Amino acid sequence: GAGVSQSPRYKVAKRGQDVALRCDPISGHVSLFWYQQALGQGPEFLTYFQNEAQLDKSGLPSDRFFAERPEGSVSTLKIQRTQQEDSAVYLCASSDRRRNQPQHFGDGTRLSIL
Amino acid sequence: AQSVAQPEDQVNVAEGNPLTVKCTYSVSGNPYLFWYVQYPNRGLQFLLKYITGDNLVKGSYGFEAEFNKSQTSFHLKKPSALVSDSALYFCAVSNTGKLIFGQGTTLQVKP
Repeated sequence: GAGVSQSPRYKVAKRGQDVALRCDPISGHVSLFWYQQALGQGPEFLTYFQNEAQLDKSGLPSDRFFAERPEGSVSTLKIQRTQQEDSAVYLCASSDRRRNQPQHFGDGTRLSIL
Repeated sequence: AQSVAQPEDQVNVAEGNPLTVKCTYSVSGNPYLFWYVQYPNRGLQFLLKYITGDNLVKGSYGFEAEFNKSQTSFHLKKPSALVSDSALYFCAVSNTGKLIFGQGTTLQVKP
């Protein structure tokens, strides 16, 4: 079956540009998470959706980061006015509703800000 | 605050030997504990989880993990390592849904 799909796999942008990263979760998964993984580090939580509701955005590093999931399926992470410190791999994960179920990860989008 | 520590940046083991990758955690309440593996340029793959019950948890690819509440540890183990097990391993804890990850341990299995 299809797993979590993320696009693009690689994105290069100039400092100051806006970028949009897409996540297609596993069909039927109501929970969707975004994580940021800096080079050589473990992933760090950014935000969490249950269906279309954004229940936790405590990990978003600044108001330049915005995420949405308008129909409770596909999600987009948008970064405005990108800065060099935004360079990282952005991982999306989805899971069943139940809290103790494992999250299934996509392969990520590697974002490089020049 | 929740946290996870993986004290070893790298673990080296010979093929066929047993391996252990260490993890300790700090969380309030009853934790949900997970191990994930990451191959280069790929996302994280789920290996196993501890929710409740038996302290020894069996997972994918012959891996297992031992939960020790008194030592707040959740070490990953495998009786006989394979070269193909070489990868980056992450321990994670959750009690609110989001995962808190350790820094990762690179496992290098040599032929």
